Amino acid sequence: NAGVTQTPKFQVLKTGQSMTLQCAQDMNHEYMSWYRQDPGMGLRLIHYSVGAGITDQGEVPNGYNVSRSTTEDFPLRLLSAAPSQTSVYFCASSSFPGRYTEAFFGQGTRLTVV
Amino acid sequence: AQKVTQAQTEISVVEKEDVTLDCVYETRDTTYYLFWYKQPPSGELVFLIRRNSFDEQNEISGRYSWNFQKSTSSFNFTITASQVVDSAVYFCAHFGGGYNKLIFGAGTRLAVHP
Repeated sequence: NAGVTQTPKFQVLKTGQSMTLQCAQDMNHEYMSWYRQDPGMGLRLIHYSVGAGITDQGEVPNGYNVSRSTTEDFPLRLLSAAPSQTSVYFCASSSFPGRYTEAFFGQGTRLTVV
Repeated sequence: AQKVTQAQTEISVVEKEDVTLDCVYETRDTTYYLFWYKQPPSGELVFLIRRNSFDEQNEISGRYSWNFQKSTSSFNFTITASQVVDSAVYFCAHFGGGYNKLIFGAGTRLAVHP
């Protein structure tokens, strides 16, 4: 089992560029989510999904889009990157519903927008 | 509202001291889960413990112990006889069934000095 795999690990974007952060899990988890981590702010929820075809907004959704066409994949799209989106991004998955277990996290993507 | 507060931003101790990390949560759910995660300097997120709202038993795992008190909405984490390897950022998190969101506190940075 690979667990939760995020790609890329590092990325530098220019302001206005778009990109997709990839996230895949092989644990057949229904629940997947994206967080961003900034100094002193902890992990803030961007978007989450409780199953294929279902997504919802978290605490800081602006500037990001998601879709969930399969159980395994949950990509995060930045439509027009801004310097304020410079952060470390984590994808997570967990089993759901009924008995929520701990979230398994990917290794993170360090994104810099210049 | 769903909120997790970790009031201690940074804690510095000398090796072998005991240290308690505080976590206070707000929730409207009657069924919910609480978690602690560790983030060492390498950056990955390591799951430490999950506790559901119906289980107020305190738990001990080696040098780690957790005190869950629903009456004060707190889920505190104590490290006994701290070691340099305990140096990390520790996050408390809450998942409520009504919200379907895993929300993190801002984290407490623990530095253990030899």
